[in-house]
Amino acid sequence: AQSVDQPDAHVTLYEGASLELRCSYSYSAAPYLFWYVQYPGQSLQFLLKYITGDAVVKGTKGFEAEFRKSNSSFNLKKSPAHWSDSAKYFCALEGGYGGSGNKLIFGTGTLLSVKP
Amino acid sequence: DTTVKQNPRYKLARVGKPVNLICSQTMNHDTMYWYQKKPNQAPKLLLFYYDKILNREADTFEKFQSSRPNNSFCSLYIGSAGLEYSAMYLCASRRQTNTEVFFGKGTRLTVV
Repeated sequence: AQSVDQPDAHVTLYEGASLELRCSYSYSAAPYLFWYVQYPGQSLQFLLKYITGDAVVKGTKGFEAEFRKSNSSFNLKKSPAHWSDSAKYFCALEGGYGGSGNKLIFGTGTLLSVKP
Repeated sequence: DTTVKQNPRYKLARVGKPVNLICSQTMNHDTMYWYQKKPNQAPKLLLFYYDKILNREADTFEKFQSSRPNNSFCSLYIGSAGLEYSAMYLCASRRQTNTEVFFGKGTRLTVV
């Protein structure tokens, strides 16, 4: 079975601090992993992805994520955090469908609040 | 234009009545997805088209239908709406596997 777990429903920190949003996954094959962000009133937007290669991938808006096969995690990081980073962040896993396209499975999301 | 458009943005439906939601993109993407999103829950994949091939999730197989008359358009059809269908419906598309998925702003469906 394929699944994504984001254990923290809500994370609050102050501007200037380092942020790390947790994501773990369950998948029997090599995973393709994504992070998306949703600002209030807007659609989900792509931040970054891991397909293969370097464990640390960099994305838009100064974010990066580290893939750790040993504990099936793909945590999102940024330092320092800015108040404009306040949004809901979704981790996603791409799963195969046997040749007729792949599906994207999401976690429940983490609502990040950055206080000025 | 890298946007996915969804119509309408808000939809009010009566219990037992049909609902048809529309999605379009002009990026020539081969895959189009439909997700259902309820508060504090993960977006739930309902079905997706890979080119002309429709893939439906097992647990929603009989509840939702879809059509893709051409590469740009995709619809989501509910034959008989129930209260449990009230949710945000998200359409998304991508050019090929492993690439960025583009999302629309969603259609908020309220069933009364």
